[in-house]
Amino acid sequence: GENVEQHPSTLSVQEGDSAVIKCTYSDSASNYFPWYKQELGKRPQLIIDIRSNVGEKKDQRIAVTLNKTAKHFSLHITETQPEDSAVYFCAASGTNAGGTSYGKLTFGQGTILTVHP
Amino acid sequence: ETGVTQTPRHLVMGMTNKKSLKCEQHLGHNAMYWYKQSAKKPLELMFVYSLEERVENNSVPSRFSPECPNSSHLFLHLHTLQPEDSALYLCASSQASGGYEQYFGPGTRLTVT
Repeated sequence: GENVEQHPSTLSVQEGDSAVIKCTYSDSASNYFPWYKQELGKRPQLIIDIRSNVGEKKDQRIAVTLNKTAKHFSLHITETQPEDSAVYFCAASGTNAGGTSYGKLTFGQGTILTVHP
Repeated sequence: ETGVTQTPRHLVMGMTNKKSLKCEQHLGHNAMYWYKQSAKKPLELMFVYSLEERVENNSVPSRFSPECPNSSHLFLHLHTLQPEDSALYLCASSQASGGYEQYFGPGTRLTVT
């Protein structure tokens, strides 16, 4: 099955700096890569996603890049703000043992991002 | 209420108790998931139901028993739990085909005493 590794586990930046979180995946059949943000005491929420036919996607201060050959994808946050402080999870769609994808996501271990004012 | 709801939000139970967690989605999705989130292993997939059929069970102990009576409801029946089962239990839903966003419920904070 799919295995997703996420680094770093913690990241501390000053307000206004950029933050980068990286993930690698193992299943070459994975074709959907979302990023979730989970604030303290709240549910994970999707912030951006990318599909395998696209190399980069941007939404205001957030961008995601995908390198299918190397099987890694990254989240980039520019001009960080204190409200960006949260746990960020990457995920990959993967497939089951039969090679089908029924909506399952395999999540990385999470990155605790702290933005200092 | 819209989206994905879970009840109860907090649950304290003894190791000999039997309780159930409930999840309901109002998004028209046809796949539902149970995750366990603890400090040591952030998001562990427990069970997956696609089109009301269980399609994955990630080696979860039998003291956790899922039930999916229809595409909008998902239950997690708990019995004879252990203290290490204390965690946040999150339900999510999505379209059954791959490549769609999963929407999460607010979770049930479970404490086993």
